[in-house]
Amino acid sequence: NAGVTQTPKFRVLKTGQSMTLLCAQDMNHEYMYWYRQDPGMGLRLIHYSVGEGTTAKGEVPDGYNVSRLKKQNFLLGLESAAPSQTSVYFCASSWFINSESSYNEQFFGPGTRLTVL
Amino acid sequence: GEDVEQSLFLSVREGDSSVINCTYTDSSSTYLYWYKQEPGAGLQLLTYIFSNMDMKQDQRLTVLLNKKDKHLSLRIADTQTGDSAIYFCAESPLTLGNTPLVFGKGTRLSVIA
Repeated sequence: NAGVTQTPKFRVLKTGQSMTLLCAQDMNHEYMYWYRQDPGMGLRLIHYSVGEGTTAKGEVPDGYNVSRLKKQNFLLGLESAAPSQTSVYFCASSWFINSESSYNEQFFGPGTRLTVL
Repeated sequence: GEDVEQSLFLSVREGDSSVINCTYTDSSSTYLYWYKQEPGAGLQLLTYIFSNMDMKQDQRLTVLLNKKDKHLSLRIADTQTGDSAIYFCAESPLTLGNTPLVFGKGTRLSVIA
């Protein structure tokens, strides 16, 4: 099992350019998440999905869009990149969480380091 | 709102014990987690504790939970240089539908040889 993979690992964009980050998981997880990590800010949730065809906003969704057309993939799009979006982006996935169990172990990818000039 | 607080830095000597502390706000969280992030990598679950437990021990790791004070700690015995990493505390509040985890900002542990 590859687990959670992210493509690309590094990217440099100019302000105003667009790009898509791809996350793939081979664990048949229902839930997937996109986070950004900035120095002194910890991890902040951008968007998440509780199943194929569904998405929901997290803490910092502005400037990003997501799609979950296939269960194993979760795409994060930047339509018009800004320097404030310079960050390390992490994708994560987890199993279905029922209301009684609520155990939520998330499996993380290795990250994408994005620089916007 | 939901918030998880932890100190940003901790420095210990090799062989000593490390204690990383965390406070959380949502008493509805049924599980609390410790994740470890090694340099240049993603986060990995280190250990977790169910909210009806006071303590959980796993080899060199001891997790203590004080529900009354909403305080969680992670103790690493005989700390090694390989333990140098960022440690994140996290909760899954039922008030958020228990799906997203709320992470602290992370504590960077430096182990001095």
